[in-house]
Amino acid sequence: GAGVSQSPSNKVTEKGKDVELRCDPISGHTALYWYRQSLGQGLEFLIYFQGNSAPDKSGLPSDRFSAERTGGSVSTLTIQRTQQEDSAVYLCASRQTGGGGEQYFGPGTRLTVT
Amino acid sequence: GQQLNQSPQSMFIQEGEDVSMNCTSSSIFNTWLWYKQDPGEGPVLLIALYKAGELTSNGRLTAQFGITRKDSFLNISASIPSDVGIYFCAGQSNQGGKLIFGQGTELSVKP
Repeated sequence: GAGVSQSPSNKVTEKGKDVELRCDPISGHTALYWYRQSLGQGLEFLIYFQGNSAPDKSGLPSDRFSAERTGGSVSTLTIQRTQQEDSAVYLCASRQTGGGGEQYFGPGTRLTVT
Repeated sequence: GQQLNQSPQSMFIQEGEDVSMNCTSSSIFNTWLWYKQDPGEGPVLLIALYKAGELTSNGRLTAQFGITRKDSFLNISASIPSDVGIYFCAGQSNQGGKLIFGQGTELSVKP
C-alpha cells in the first residue's frame, strides 16, 4: 500500500517568508508525528497528533512553528518568518493505533532558507 | 532532557564482515527501534523491541533490548554493499509517543 507522502520534496525560501509543508499519512493511521533533521544529525521531535486528542507540541522550537491536522488525516506544518537556522529536512511519520511504537516515515521535505 | 548516545559515529568495513553498533541512554525506555536511512530518503524501520532482554532478528540483522532498559545494540552479519547508509536507534518512553533518536552510525562497506 501507499506509504507516507510529503510535499514539496524541496523548498527554497527567502528569510522572513512563511512556508507550509504537507504530510499525507498512511491510510488508517491515527497518529502523526513531525520531526526535523539538521545536516548530519539525528531526528528531533517537533509535534505529535493522536486522534482527537490535543497535540503534543512540546518539541516546537518557537512560536513561529505551528501544525494542524485536518479531518484526522492530512497535516500541515507551518513556519512563519523563516530564519536560516530553520533550514533542515522536515520528516513526517505515522503510526497505526494499537500498532505498538512503530512509526513509518515519509521521504521528507528539504527546506532551505536563503 | 532525554539523550541517546550512539556509537560508533562511523564505520568502514570490508564486505562480509560483521558489524555492531549500540545506543545508551541516561533514562529508561519502554521501546527501542532501529532505523536505516539512505541519502535523500526518510528512515526505514528495521527492528522494533518491546521487552527488556528481548533479542530479535530480521534476516542478517539482530537487535537486543538491554536488561536495564537503558541500552540497545544492533548487529549486522556478513555485510553487503547495500548495507551502506546511516543507522539510527530511537527510544520511546510512552507507547505511541515521540521518539528520541541517536546521532546515527554511518556505515561504509568496501566490496
